[in-house]
Amino acid sequence: NAGVTQTPKFQVLKTGQSMTLQCAQDMNHNSMYWYRQDPGMGLRLIYYSASEGTTDKGEVPNGYNVSRLNKREFSLRLESAAPSQTSVYFCASSGGLADYYNEQFFGPGTRLTVL
Amino acid sequence: TQLLEQSPQFLSIQEGENLTVYCNSSSVFSSLQWYRQEPGEGPVLLVTVVTGGEVKKLKRLTFQFGDARKDSSLHITAAQPGDTGLYLCARNQAGTALIFGKGTTLSVSS
Repeated sequence: NAGVTQTPKFQVLKTGQSMTLQCAQDMNHNSMYWYRQDPGMGLRLIYYSASEGTTDKGEVPNGYNVSRLNKREFSLRLESAAPSQTSVYFCASSGGLADYYNEQFFGPGTRLTVL
Repeated sequence: TQLLEQSPQFLSIQEGENLTVYCNSSSVFSSLQWYRQEPGEGPVLLVTVVTGGEVKKLKRLTFQFGDARKDSSLHITAAQPGDTGLYLCARNQAGTALIFGKGTTLSVSS
């Protein structure tokens, strides 16, 4: 039982390059989330997927796209990376928005630098 | 956006000291969660508080939910270096994603 896994752990991109961050969970959770964490800014929600087949924008969606590939996997894509997207990205999952407490389980993070 | 304010932003103490960190909001929320994030890792859920006035204990950590369900506190007794990390509170409203505070960074030195 690995919980939430993320790949890669580290990535350096040049401005304008694209990449996809991968996330998978093995807890049979309905909901999955992508956050970014910047110094002094806390965790900010980029996109979330309440259930397989649905995605919704969070607080900071600009410059990102997501795909809920199946119940287990939720990917985050940067089409044209910008230095402002330098951050640590966390994927999380939970039983679902209908789960009253919405307790979330986080992956180890991807540390992305855009030059 | 209904914000969560956490204070203090930074706290640096010696091993054995006690401390309290706070999480406040202007609005009522149905439940509140506390997470701890160690350097280089993802946040880990510590506790969920649900009922106004509720107190939960986790070893040396005591969590309290305000009577009006607008605020919460985390008290650590006899802090240890292993308590070092970022403490985050998060508000839950049914049907929406969690909203996180910006966190309190705790450093405990021996």
